[in-house]
Amino acid sequence: KNEVEQSPQNLTAQEGEFITINCSYSVGISALHWLQQHPGGGIVSLFMLSSGKKKHGRLIATINIQEKHSSLHITASHPRDSAVYICAVNQGAQKLVFGQGTRLTINP
Amino acid sequence: ETGVTQSPTHLIKTRGQQVTLRCSSQSGHNTVSWYQQALGQGPQFIFQYYREEENGRGNFPPRFSGLQFPNYSSELNVNALELDDSALYLCASRGGGTMNTEAFFGQGTRLTVV
Repeated sequence: KNEVEQSPQNLTAQEGEFITINCSYSVGISALHWLQQHPGGGIVSLFMLSSGKKKHGRLIATINIQEKHSSLHITASHPRDSAVYICAVNQGAQKLVFGQGTRLTINP
Repeated sequence: ETGVTQSPTHLIKTRGQQVTLRCSSQSGHNTVSWYQQALGQGPQFIFQYYREEENGRGNFPPRFSGLQFPNYSSELNVNALELDDSALYLCASRGGGTMNTEAFFGQGTRLTVV
């Protein structure tokens, strides 16, 4: 079992829909990251969380440390949101442990 | 634009050859990590350098090695390439020696071993 599990693995939705991507982890962490990866490979950091909730534009990220669970929400989704969304956790001082990613496709 | 650049963007090598991938970090970012991302998978931690010393390593053999330079650039070297080394290689830089700071990723180098 992976230390970081994301669901769903693939998600297709219509423009305007509310999107939720989930991340569960089994190790102790000091922070959790949500990342976005577009075709071609480059990764952009969306959020870094250690508790509570953060909001940036149409994106909202929440984390529940006790339940070892985080969610990424996208409101009023748009085709340009289509990408792979990756959850990663800080494990110790040296490394990030990544989930396998959720491929999101938003159709017009 | 993350301020982290990797070169080359694409590379094709033959099994058994050696390869060097490069990463230029943001000024002031003294920590750089390298990751291997196989197709359809999440990135896997290779190693991390802090102030030019390796201070963490994932489950990769010794033929994966690295260097970090005072000008915030770094290298990933892979010797005796194998077909399974074909992947996207990402570097990430951040300031400070702990993980609780935001990481900035490069665009990656896509390596194909034939």
